[in-house]
Amino acid sequence: SQKIEQNSEALNIQEGKTATLTCNYTNYSPAYLQWYRQDPGRGPVFLLLIRENEKEKRKERLKVTFDTTLKQSLFHITASQPADSATYLCALDLMDSSYKLIFGSGTRLLVRP
Amino acid sequence: DAGVIQSPRHEVTEMGQEVTLRCKPISGHDYLFWYRQTMMRGLELLIYFNNNVPIDDSGMPEDRFSAKMPNASFSTLKIQPSEPRDSAVYFCASRTQSGAYNSPLHFGNGTRLTVT
Repeated sequence: SQKIEQNSEALNIQEGKTATLTCNYTNYSPAYLQWYRQDPGRGPVFLLLIRENEKEKRKERLKVTFDTTLKQSLFHITASQPADSATYLCALDLMDSSYKLIFGSGTRLLVRP
Repeated sequence: DAGVIQSPRHEVTEMGQEVTLRCKPISGHDYLFWYRQTMMRGLELLIYFNNNVPIDDSGMPEDRFSAKMPNASFSTLKIQPSEPRDSAVYFCASRTQSGAYNSPLHFGNGTRLTVT
């Protein structure tokens, strides 16, 4: 069956450390993978996109990797801050002419001051 | 741009009542999506439209759910009759077709539905 898996347990780290979140998928062949941030009571907000032929993408303190062999994406936040505390969702863009995104269930990140 | 606008933000209703959720997408966006989010199932796609036409409603859980998009600036999701298991946060999102495969989704802030 098709699955997108993100760590269901919250990731709790100290301010200043690097947070690494994982997104694994099975039985999908996404052309693109997107990462979103969701704060309580709000809708998800787009952060970064990476294409299947890109190994790594950076934006300020954020870095995303995409390994189509392992069927995995890693999302890193360097020099983490308490304001980075939120739930982070990965989404697969299947590029199957449907234009729809399939989301993982998200991982909650808590950054302690 | 004001972003995707959803109303109401909160809805509390009794089982058996009709519920209508509303969405105004970002102007110029060709695609509109309705998602439902629960702790157990995460963010599930219910239905999506392209140029006001429903394309895929395979995620709609039952015939009690229906969605319409009468014009490019308005969509509704209706549940009739509502049941307690419909309690969730319902999100509307829109996306442009221009470079669609690398365009992000823009979400509204959702409607939190509680059916008692």
